[in-house]
Amino acid sequence: SQQGEEDPQALSIQEGENATMNCSYKTSINNLQWYRQNSGRGLVHLILIRSNEREKHSGRLRVTLDTSKKSSSLLITASRAADTASYFCAIDRGSTLGRLYFGRGTQLTVWP
Amino acid sequence: GAGVSQSPRYKVAKRGQDVALRCDPISGHVSLFWYQQALGQGPEFLTYFQNEAQLDKSGLPSDRFFAERPEGSVSTLKIQRTQQEDSAVYLCASSPWTSETYEQYFGPGTRLTVT
Repeated sequence: SQQGEEDPQALSIQEGENATMNCSYKTSINNLQWYRQNSGRGLVHLILIRSNEREKHSGRLRVTLDTSKKSSSLLITASRAADTASYFCAIDRGSTLGRLYFGRGTQLTVWP
Repeated sequence: GAGVSQSPRYKVAKRGQDVALRCDPISGHVSLFWYQQALGQGPEFLTYFQNEAQLDKSGLPSDRFFAERPEGSVSTLKIQRTQQEDSAVYLCASSPWTSETYEQYFGPGTRLTVT
């Protein structure tokens, strides 16, 4: 498969806890991106990590990339109920000018 | 500023009808993508435009699907003789596409239901 595959499929936590989602892929990549999708709304870009980067931070988000294992993880610290959404990793192989290959996503539920 | 807009937001079509879905990208964005998202799945690539040129249409599932972007801004995805398996959310995304910018900006999508 050229797309990313997220794990777990669903995650349920309490507010204040950390949430970790994983993404595995099988091809070479140019970069890997994480997106969030709230119910009934479009996808929102969260963070991009290039193939030559190993870790990146943005606010409460931390993304790691291990190209030798072809895997990435997204950590959301101190989660909030508003973080409830589906999270997708998307692979940019650097082929068709930005074409993204998405996984099925992780459904995160954060309980107040 | 204004984001990517799509219309209609919801479309119900009877099997066999033709539909047209519109996408207004962010002004000045060179790249435009169409994706199809089935229920419970991630988006699947359909086609890509750079300005008015359709550079990749390898994701279009059949010749019933046609996309255009004649003036390099607004794009229309047309589905002819709709089938039930066409029921999905159709997402449009645009990107400025500089050497440093790969992020795609998505619209809210059009939910197509074929009955």
